[in-house]
Amino acid sequence: KAGVTQTPRYLIKTRGQQVTLSCSPISGHRSVSWYQQTPGQGLQFLFEYFSETQRNKGNFPGRFSGRQFSNSRSEMNVSTLELGDSALYLCASSLDMAETQYFGPGTRLLVL
Amino acid sequence: TQLLEQSPQFLSIQEGENLTVYCNSSSVFSSLQWYRQEPGEGPVLLVTVVTGGEVKKLKRLTFQFGDARKDSSLHITAAQPGDTGLYLCAGVRSGGSYIPTFGRGTSLIVHP
Repeated sequence: KAGVTQTPRYLIKTRGQQVTLSCSPISGHRSVSWYQQTPGQGLQFLFEYFSETQRNKGNFPGRFSGRQFSNSRSEMNVSTLELGDSALYLCASSLDMAETQYFGPGTRLLVL
Repeated sequence: TQLLEQSPQFLSIQEGENLTVYCNSSSVFSSLQWYRQEPGEGPVLLVTVVTGGEVKKLKRLTFQFGDARKDSSLHITAAQPGDTGLYLCAGVRSGGSYIPTFGRGTSLIVHP
């Protein structure tokens, strides 16, 4: 079974731009969660989608948004990028949120 | 204030040494998970503990959940270079949502 895939793996953007990250979950998994990982704050929960609906949301500004498609693939969008948005963005999929989460390799975003 | 405090933050040891990593909180968790993350990859689940006082072993790794379900430890016996990585604990709070809270991690380097 293929694991969670994330694209792109690396991204460099400038302040003010927007970015879209993509996550393909493990086949059969309907829950997709997004996390931001930085050295200072560690792993912080962004949001979780299940069957195309956002079920949970973390404490991030509205510039961070996401969506999930009918095939469970998910995208995350960050608008008006700030320097502090530089981080590793991780996607995790599971059968349901309460089940074991399997993480993708992440997308490393650098904002200049 | 971080909900889950991990210590130590960094650990650099020689092959063959033993070590213990701690994960502490003032909150009670219904379950606690340990992950290992290698550079350029997402976290990989090592174990989930759910019962106070529970001890689980995974080869040379021993995981313990505190009796009060507020803390956990990870002990590695005879560490090997392949154990190098970032060890993360994550807890799901009792009575709260099922969204896990992550500690900032312990970065372990095992020198051959």
